[in-house]
Amino acid sequence: QSVLTQPPSASGTPGQRVTISCSGSSPNIERTTVNWYQQPPGMAPKLLMYRNNQRPSGVPDRFSGSKSGTSASLAISGLQSEDEADYYCAAWDDSLPGWVFGGGTKLTVL
Amino acid sequence: EVQLVESGGGLVQPGGSLKLSCAVSGFTFSGSAIHWVRQASGKGLEWVGRMRSKTDNYAAAYGASVKGRFFIFRDDSKNTAFLQMNSLDTEDTAIYYCISGQGELRNDMDVWGQGTTVTVS
Repeated sequence: QSVLTQPPSASGTPGQRVTISCSGSSPNIERTTVNWYQQPPGMAPKLLMYRNNQRPSGVPDRFSGSKSGTSASLAISGLQSEDEADYYCAAWDDSLPGWVFGGGTKLTVL
Repeated sequence: EVQLVESGGGLVQPGGSLKLSCAVSGFTFSGSAIHWVRQASGKGLEWVGRMRSKTDNYAAAYGASVKGRFFIFRDDSKNTAFLQMNSLDTEDTAIYYCISGQGELRNDMDVWGQGTTVTVS
């Protein structure tokens, strides 16, 4: 049981917009910032978004992030086949203390 | 190019110990935190622990499932970090990733290694 809750799966067709949610609580998401990671099949994870809505160099602006209260979300617009991957949210949890991850969302591009 | 390369994984019996290494290149590692994250086959990511830089007094923190059994070390002169794993259990079987960052992401989980596989059996 993950501290952060994500839907196990999401899907969309090429060109569509998809949103992945991440639900937490006061000691984590509400008090700090959220990172998002993308893990293509068989590969190591890669940082996709940090500090809620900051894109590292090289990440397309099709990806955007937001946070409100105890929840965060990742939006992918103009969906492409290469976006098919597992997506994880992560945040520092003051109550542990330590980093916590969501259970991951498997994105399928139909 | 920033690169992290893990090594030291392998097969170990329950109750045994193993030490993983993480060689960092492409940036000055000494000013950055090092994190370890693991992933069991077909499962999600689990944070193992992190050690901050000398500037932050090498502050360490560990996940609940490994606290007291796993320890992170670093040799800044060799740009290398280590994860000492003791009292291993079958539940510790996973791919282990080391992660670091630089600049504004020096304490974050930014750049990931390719991972090394640990099997406890």
